[in-house]
Amino acid sequence: DAGVTQSPTHLIKTRGQHVTLRCSPISGHKSVSWYQQVLGQGPQFIFQYYEKEERGRGNFPDRFSARQFPNYSSELNVNALLLGDSALYLCASSFIPGANNYGYTFGSGTRLTVV
Amino acid sequence: GQSLEQPSEVTAVEGAIVQINCTYQTSGFYGLSWYQQHDGGAPTFLSYNALDGLEETGRFSSFLSRSDSYGYLLLQELQMKDSASYFCAASGSARQLTFGSGTQLTVLP
Repeated sequence: DAGVTQSPTHLIKTRGQHVTLRCSPISGHKSVSWYQQVLGQGPQFIFQYYEKEERGRGNFPDRFSARQFPNYSSELNVNALLLGDSALYLCASSFIPGANNYGYTFGSGTRLTVV
Repeated sequence: GQSLEQPSEVTAVEGAIVQINCTYQTSGFYGLSWYQQHDGGAPTFLSYNALDGLEETGRFSSFLSRSDSYGYLLLQELQMKDSASYFCAASGSARQLTFGSGTQLTVLP
């Protein structure tokens, strides 16, 4: 079985541009969460989706948006990119929202560099 | 909100036992998870404690004390491949994870 797949793996963008990151969860998982991980820090929660509805939003500006599709894949969009948006963006998949004995399965992430 | 504190670095030798502590301040705490992340890789789930006590999974054990807002990850029989960053993460009523800043474990031969 394929794990959580994210695309692209690496991306370089210029300040002010827009970016779309994509995530396909594990087959059968209906919840997708997005996290931002700045170098040297722990992942920080951005969004959680379950059954195509937003179930949680972290402390990020409105430049960040996301959605989940009927096949449970998800997109994270960031507008008006800033240098500070440079980070590893991680997608986490789970059957339902909430940590439990099975945990979240993370993808390998998209490394975004804003120049 | 939630905040978690863990040591930034720990060093141990191969075959030894190491304990990584985590203290948390939370509202609506549900449980404490532990994740391992090798450089540039995906965080990998290790364990989850919802109740007080010890959970054992092979060479890894995790402990939680709700009354002390404290948990730890215990790694036994350390191997070189255990060199990685380890994160504690709290889950609350909002069901998302709040991660600590991570502990960089270096295993020496």
